[in-house]
Amino acid sequence: DTEVTQTPKHLVMGMTNKKSLKCEQHMGHRAMYWYKQKAKKPPELMFVYSYEKLSINESVPSRFSPECPNSSLLNLHLHALQPEDSALYLCASSQGGGGPQETQYFGPGTRLLVL
Amino acid sequence: LAKTTQPISMDSYEGQEVNITCSHNNIATNDYITWYQQFPSQGPRFIIQGYKTKVTNEVASLFIPADRKSSTLSLPRVSLSDTAVYYCLVGEGGYQKVTFGIGTKLQVIP
Repeated sequence: DTEVTQTPKHLVMGMTNKKSLKCEQHMGHRAMYWYKQKAKKPPELMFVYSYEKLSINESVPSRFSPECPNSSLLNLHLHALQPEDSALYLCASSQGGGGPQETQYFGPGTRLLVL
Repeated sequence: LAKTTQPISMDSYEGQEVNITCSHNNIATNDYITWYQQFPSQGPRFIIQGYKTKVTNEVASLFIPADRKSSTLSLPRVSLSDTAVYYCLVGEGGYQKVTFGIGTKLQVIP
């Protein structure tokens, strides 16, 4: 199984809502990543979890809150988002402790629209 | 981290070989070079990775000159399904930050 799954595929939320994005992998990978991708732009790294510990937070606003309940699961909790947060949110995993030299397996993403 | 520079876009006819060059003048000794492919509304997909000289797999080849300040992704005999954005990444093992460059949008023409 070389698949990273993400749910939901699409999400529409108001600025006062609280929602969560979910990512799952069963490849035994020990690093998991959240990226944000705006239209026609490259993915931007948000967070990296390595061995279930948050190792990189790229100065992401606190309205985004990541969580790694176990080595297979990664959540992104959303609260009080702004319309400019509308984007494709991508989850990825890699085998070791993380880093650009490791092959990352990406999920299909969650398309988020904030109204 | 080494910054990468790629052409923003390229066009190619079906059946041709396509070469996309990435410049990374500040590449460090421990840096690997990795290429990803991304289709619209999908996550990127790993294509190939190399450190020096030439690497080939079932979908592409990666040419890296001796000074490693650039690399060239070669796609043999492209088809319409190769229309995508191709990203070059350079980064050091053990350092977790991953930075995608702007990517090259390849349009394959019938």
